[in-house]
Amino acid sequence: EVQLVESGGGLVQPGRSLRLSCTASGFTFGDYAMSWFRQAPGKGLEWVGFIRSKAYGGTTEYAASVKGRFTISRDDSKSIAYLQMNSLKTEDTAVYYCTRMVGGVYGHWGQGTLVTVSS
Amino acid sequence: QPVLTQPPSASASLGASVTLTCTLSSGYSNYKVDWYQQRPGKGPRFVMRVGTGGIVGSKGDGIPDRFSVLGSGLNRYLTIKNIQEEDESDYHCGADHGSGSNFVVVFGGGTKLTVL
Repeated sequence: EVQLVESGGGLVQPGRSLRLSCTASGFTFGDYAMSWFRQAPGKGLEWVGFIRSKAYGGTTEYAASVKGRFTISRDDSKSIAYLQMNSLKTEDTAVYYCTRMVGGVYGHWGQGTLVTVSS
Repeated sequence: QPVLTQPPSASASLGASVTLTCTLSSGYSNYKVDWYQQRPGKGPRFVMRVGTGGIVGSKGDGIPDRFSVLGSGLNRYLTIKNIQEEDESDYHCGADHGSGSNFVVVFGGGTKLTVL
C-alpha cells in the first residue's frame, strides 16, 4: 500500500526557514517523481513544485510564488522527499501535502503538515 | 495557462445524483482535468482524470462505481449517483499546463458538496 507521511510543520516567524519531510513506503521511491502542494486555511489547492526521479535527472520545477525561496530534494536511500522553505512569508501559511506522480497523475497524497508563519 | 472555474457549492439528497462541473477557460478545450475529493479535515484523494472522450486511465484507489466523468467542450463533469453521506466533501479539479520551467498545475476554487 502506498503511504506518504509529511512531517516538520509548525509555527515559524516570517523570514525564517523550515524543512518539511515526506516519508514514503509501499513502492520503489526512486522510480517516481514527487510533488508538493499546499492549501491555505479555507482556500483551494496550490501546486508548489516537483522533483523528477534520478532517471530523469532529478531536476526540479517550482511555482512562481515560491521560486528562489523553496527547494525540493530527495534521498532515495531513505525514501524521503524534502521541501526546504526559506524566507518564509505569512502567505506561506498552509497545509503542505506531498504526492507521488505517475504519468502526470497525482494519485496518492499524504495527510499533510501545517505550516504557520506568524510573528 | 488555463483558468478552471467551479461553482462554490452544490447539494443533493441522500440517494440522489449530482453532477459537478469544472469549466476550462477559452482555448483549452483539449485539456484533461483531474478530479479530487477532499473530506473534511483530510488530504485530497484522486478520483479520476477526464478528457473530452471521458475517463483517462484508471480511477483512484477505492473510488466506487457510483462516480463517473464526462467531458464536453470546455466542461469536465463529475457525476455521483446514489449519493451517500461519505460523499459530502470538497471536490477540486486541476490541470497540468506547460512543460519544463513553464510547467504549472492549476486548480479551480473547489465545490463544496452538501448531502441533505
